[in-house]
Amino acid sequence: EVQLVESGGGLVQPGGSLRLSCAASGFTFSYYSMNWVRQAPGKGLEWISYISSSSSVIYYADFVKGRFTISRDNAKNSLYLQMNSLRDEDTAVYYCARIVGVSHFDYWGQGTLVTVSS
Amino acid sequence: QSVLTQPPSASGTPGQRVTISCSGSSSNIGSNTVNWYQHLPGRAPKLLIYSKNQRPSGVPDRFSGSKSGTSASLAISGLQSEDEADYYCTAWDDSLNGRVFGGGTKLTVL
Repeated sequence: EVQLVESGGGLVQPGGSLRLSCAASGFTFSYYSMNWVRQAPGKGLEWISYISSSSSVIYYADFVKGRFTISRDNAKNSLYLQMNSLRDEDTAVYYCARIVGVSHFDYWGQGTLVTVSS
Repeated sequence: QSVLTQPPSASGTPGQRVTISCSGSSSNIGSNTVNWYQHLPGRAPKLLIYSKNQRPSGVPDRFSGSKSGTSASLAISGLQSEDEADYYCTAWDDSLNGRVFGGGTKLTVL
């Protein structure tokens, strides 16, 4: 069974940093590209970043460029999101999602809540 | 403001057919496939439609998708109470070099 489990969320002050992790199981992690998507309170889904299976291709949404860094460790079946210079508007539930080719997200995690507040 | 435009709400009675629209541009819907997701509060989003109206295993054929030019739509026939959820369209955007979502449509089953 495919499972994606996010962790690392919590309360952080504006300007602070946080590192999210996504532990994958039930499939060959190194074969798949991965993404991070978030949902702010009362808002819709918002794509953050994409990383290819070998980490050779990475894309970011404009609003996180220079602040967030996506990475992965295929030996540990894990995906990461390093978030720096956090702002109030980064408060959201953060999801990791597996993508099939470049087509569609077929599996998502349950999400981890990040709250940026003083 | 989302790149893809969806109506914020939709509603129907049990057994009815409802459609949810998704409007984009030539750089996203016009040139790439559209996917649809169902999202319930506190749950992981669920893939409903991908590629050219393909449904993952387990998604009933009551759900169907279509695309014309720079617009797409999701149709739900035989509406059921458990269909009450938020629905999102998404596509890759060649100009932004990123994936874009619609703002979401809250479906209410009356």
